[in-house]
Amino acid sequence: AQSVTQLGSHVSVSEGALVLLRCNYSSSVPPYLFWYVQYPNQGLQLLLKYTSAATLVKGINGFEAEFKKSETSFHLTKPSAHMSDAAEYFCAVSGRRDDKIIFGKGTRLHILP
Amino acid sequence: NAGVTQTPKFQVLKTGQSMTLQCAQDMNHNSMYWYRQDPGMGLRLIYYSASEGTTDKGEVPNGYNVSRLNKREFSLRLESAAPSQTSVYFCASSEWDIGIYEQYFGPGTRLTVT
Repeated sequence: AQSVTQLGSHVSVSEGALVLLRCNYSSSVPPYLFWYVQYPNQGLQLLLKYTSAATLVKGINGFEAEFKKSETSFHLTKPSAHMSDAAEYFCAVSGRRDDKIIFGKGTRLHILP
Repeated sequence: NAGVTQTPKFQVLKTGQSMTLQCAQDMNHNSMYWYRQDPGMGLRLIYYSASEGTTDKGEVPNGYNVSRLNKREFSLRLESAAPSQTSVYFCASSEWDIGIYEQYFGPGTRLTVT
């Protein structure tokens, strides 16, 4: 069975500050991991994905995430927050060759001016 | 390419009414999905179709039916709507590509049942 846990349903950071959104996974098989972003009143958009090619994954809009097997974590970071980053972020997991993915409950990111 | 499209964007139903949510994709994907999104619950899979002619239940299938009409279209039907089905519904599609399934989402249908 697979699952992801996102720590913090709401995170607030100041514009220009570091963004850190936490995700821990549980998987009985080597996982694929994803971060999706949802802007208000829109569908989900893929930010980045981990497929075992490299533990540090770079995505769109300056975001990156690091896969740490020893910590079963896949935290999302961005060095400097921008007002346009305000959105809800979802971590997700799937098994290799599995066409279904399991989503976390989401973290809403608020950017303070 | 339009990607994944959903109709309608908004809908208000009375308890007991029925309706069908439509979804279409133009990416020639085999797999299609219906999710519901509720505050604090993330996305939960309602039904899933691995290919034309096949459907499987997801995590929360009760009160819903689906039809995979052809490779492009995957509809979700509420036969007798209940207030607990008030939610935002997302359709998605995916295909095996360079070692991974990546899901593409539609813009969602916001459904209110009164």
